[in-house]
Amino acid sequence: GESVGLHLPTLSVQEGDNSIINCAYSNSASDYFIWYKQESGKGPQFIIDIRSNMDKRQGQRVTVLLNKTVKHLSLQIAATQPGDSAVYFCAEGRDVGGATNKLIFGTGTLLAVQP
Amino acid sequence: NAGVTQTPKFQVLKTGQSMTLQCAQDMNHEYMSWYRQDPGMGLRLIHYSVGAGITDQGEVPNGYNVSRSTTEDFPLRLLSAAPSQTSVYFCASSNSRSHEQYFGPGTRLTVT
Repeated sequence: GESVGLHLPTLSVQEGDNSIINCAYSNSASDYFIWYKQESGKGPQFIIDIRSNMDKRQGQRVTVLLNKTVKHLSLQIAATQPGDSAVYFCAEGRDVGGATNKLIFGTGTLLAVQP
Repeated sequence: NAGVTQTPKFQVLKTGQSMTLQCAQDMNHEYMSWYRQDPGMGLRLIHYSVGAGITDQGEVPNGYNVSRSTTEDFPLRLLSAAPSQTSVYFCASSNSRSHEQYFGPGTRLTVT
C-alpha cells in the first residue's frame, strides 16, 4: 500500500549547524511532496513543496531534494536556529484537476536545536 | 484575515455522545479537509471537500460526517463518540492553484 515514512524519529543538532531530515516514500505515482513544520500545540505550517519532475528546490534557508530512484526525500535547513525546533512532516499528494488537498503524511521527525 | 479557525479548542465527551467540530476559513479557498493526529503518528485524512456541495472520504472516514453548504464552513460531525476517536483534529484549506494547505490551530478531543 501507499506509505510515507521517516528514517529518524528525533534529530538533535547544535545551533548554527545544518540539519538534514529524511523521508522515504513508497508510492512512485505521487505528483508532489511537501514538508510541513509543526510547533508544539499548533497546526502544521507549510515549508516547501517539490513536484515529482524536479530533483531540487530551494527556499529561504531550506532545500528539498528528491531522489526518485530510491524514493527518498530530504529537507535541509541551513544554519539551524532555536526557532527551528519542531516536528517536521513530509507528505505526498497527487494532482486531481490541477491541485488537490488529499495528502498522505509521514509520522514526523522531532528536530531539537541545542544552543 | 483570520485564516482557518476551529472551535472548540478542547472538548471532553462521553462514549455515545454526538458533537460537531466547527471549521471556518476567510480566504475564499475551494478546498477544505479534516485530519486527525494521534500521538506518534502523522496526520490522517478523514474527509475533504473540493467545493461547496462536494465532499469525499479520506483514509479514516468511519464515525464522521461532513457537509459543505458554504465555501467558508466545513463542520465535522461525530455521530456517536468512541474512545478511539480521542485525538487532535485539524482543519485545513487551500486554493485550487496551490499545494499549500493552511491549517487551523486544532481541536483536542477526549472521549471517555
